[in-house]
Amino acid sequence: DVKVTQSSRYLVKRTGEKVFLECVQDMDHENMFWYRQDPGLGLRLIYFSYDVKMKEKGDIPEGYSVSREKKERFSLILESASTNQTSMYLCASSLPTGAARADTQYFGPGTRLTVL
Amino acid sequence: TQLLEQSPQFLSIQEGENLTVYCNSSSVFSSLQWYRQEPGEGPVLLVTVVTGGEVKKLKRLTFQFGDARKDSSLHITAAQPGDTGLYLCAARYNFNKFYFGSGTKLNVKP
Repeated sequence: DVKVTQSSRYLVKRTGEKVFLECVQDMDHENMFWYRQDPGLGLRLIYFSYDVKMKEKGDIPEGYSVSREKKERFSLILESASTNQTSMYLCASSLPTGAARADTQYFGPGTRLTVL
Repeated sequence: TQLLEQSPQFLSIQEGENLTVYCNSSSVFSSLQWYRQEPGEGPVLLVTVVTGGEVKKLKRLTFQFGDARKDSSLHITAAQPGDTGLYLCAARYNFNKFYFGSGTKLNVKP
């Protein structure tokens, strides 16, 4: 059974703290994604990675960075957390573009981050 | 401006009723996905539609892709409380990225 896990379900941080969100997938997928989900706005792509050490900016990368040192692990970093980064963060993985079922994304359970 | 417009935003119905959720765009897509997300969980794929005019059925759920591949609908027959959740449509908008609609929050009351 495919599995994407995220390091924390709930996280509370203070303004200015550096925050690490970890995501691990066990499906040997090339593609990994970080989204944030806010009411009425759906899921918005923050960053995308298509291979180890490779990354592309999504629609809202400002204030975030990512790291992919191993194929199964994709980290989202908030360099200096701000209150407007309070949100639900979702990690996903998929097969590479062009593969059968490449349009299917497998999501983790999410991390609800509150920045005070 | 949302690339994918979903309607309605909220839907609260009684068990046994039918409902339709819409996902519209001015863009043409090679495929479109529908996901369901339950509270406290990540979205889970329900179906992918690929061909214009395609209809797919998943038990009481019927998915349709518009002829021009710009819109899609999800119809649920005789809704059950277990259908409660957030329904999201999604589409690939460039080589490696996906766009999601804002979602339809469905509540089915017993």
